[in-house]
Amino acid sequence: GENVEQHPSTLSVQEGDSAVIKCTYSDSASNYFPWYKQELGKGPQLIIDIRSNVGEKKDQRIAVTLNKTAKHFSLHITETQPEDSAVYFCAASKTSYDKVIFGPGTSLSVIP
Amino acid sequence: GAGVSQSPSNKVTEKGKDVELRCDPISGHTALYWYRQRLGQGLEFLIYFQGNSAPDKSGLPSDRFSAERTGESVSTLTIQRTQQEDSAVYLCASSLGARGLVDTQYFGPGTRLTVL
Repeated sequence: GENVEQHPSTLSVQEGDSAVIKCTYSDSASNYFPWYKQELGKGPQLIIDIRSNVGEKKDQRIAVTLNKTAKHFSLHITETQPEDSAVYFCAASKTSYDKVIFGPGTSLSVIP
Repeated sequence: GAGVSQSPSNKVTEKGKDVELRCDPISGHTALYWYRQRLGQGLEFLIYFQGNSAPDKSGLPSDRFSAERTGESVSTLTIQRTQQEDSAVYLCASSLGARGLVDTQYFGPGTRLTVL
């Protein structure tokens, strides 16, 4: 079955700097890759996703890149703000009807 | 519109008791998922429903765990004879469930279960 790894497990950055979180997946058939943000005491919320026919996707300060050959995908947050502090989860799934497998999460702290 | 809701938000129970956790998905979402999240850890898939049937129960950790869904709407996750290791946040998510596609899952706030 699919296995998703995520690095780093914790990340601290100064406000205004960029943050990068990297994930790898094992199942080459996976072709849907969502990213979720989870704030303390709340459920995860989708922030951006990418499908395998796209190499990069941007939404304001957030971007995701996908390398299907290497089975890597990454989340990039630019001009970080304190409200970006949260746990971020990457995930992978197939386009056929299937469950989504989550990575273990990255705890991001943005220091004012 | 209304999102996914879960109840109760917190549940404290004694070891050996049974508990029921409820999830109300977004209206019109045919797919529903249950996950478990232990403190400081990632999401562990438990089960998903397409309509009222559960094609994948592979994540249920033991036969003490069961789930059902009725009317393609509300779902309940039941844990019998709770153990301390069952303590976790139980998250529910729903999605449109369009066949042939993977679609976005929307999560509820979770139920924090504490087994004493």
